[in-house]
Amino acid sequence: QVQLVESGGGLVKPGGSLRLSCAVSGFTFHNYYMSWIRQAPGKGLEWLSFISPGSSDIHYADSVKGRFTVSRDNNRNSLYLEMDSLRAEDTAVYYCVRDIERVGVTLYFDFWGQGILVTVSS
Amino acid sequence: QSVLTQPPSVSAAPGQTVTISCSGSSSNIGKNFVSWYQQFPGTAPKLLIYDNFKRHSGIPDRFFGSKSGVEATLTITGLQTGDEAHYYCGTWDTSLGEGRVFGGGTKLSVL
Repeated sequence: QVQLVESGGGLVKPGGSLRLSCAVSGFTFHNYYMSWIRQAPGKGLEWLSFISPGSSDIHYADSVKGRFTVSRDNNRNSLYLEMDSLRAEDTAVYYCVRDIERVGVTLYFDFWGQGILVTVSS
Repeated sequence: QSVLTQPPSVSAAPGQTVTISCSGSSSNIGKNFVSWYQQFPGTAPKLLIYDNFKRHSGIPDRFFGSKSGVEATLTITGLQTGDEAHYYCGTWDTSLGEGRVFGGGTKLSVL
């Protein structure tokens, strides 16, 4: 069955960096678009970043542009999110999700990882 | 502020039918497909409905999605206590540089 497992979260000081990983199984990873979505404590969902199957098309939300970098390794069936210059407002649960696209438009997110908590605090 | 507007909470008794609205505009719901997600406390969201009304694999037919104009609706019939969760709508907004948007979420209480 489809599985997405995030790792790499934890406590980091403001201004620090963290790298999230997402190990994928149960589907042909290199055929699918992927996204990162986060959820601050008690808040709603916020889309952060998207990467195409071949990594040629990458997009970011304005809130993380210039600070976060998404990448993937199709040989390792893994998705990554490098987070730099972290702020208190980046504290959230981060989800790795499979992104279903059609004609350049995200239609929906059909499978989600269990999420990993990132806490930015001094 | 979310681009898509959902009521913060709805409630109904077991066995009843409840509707959750998701209101948008001509640049999002008005011209793009809507999806719905269910989230239990402490767990990841799960896809319920995509392409406005199609149920994701394993989702019972008590869950029904619809769309009219700039508003989408999730209807849950035969409410069960296990349906108590947060529900989020999502779509694409063509007026935004990055169009992936969600509603603020609705807490469903089954009394």
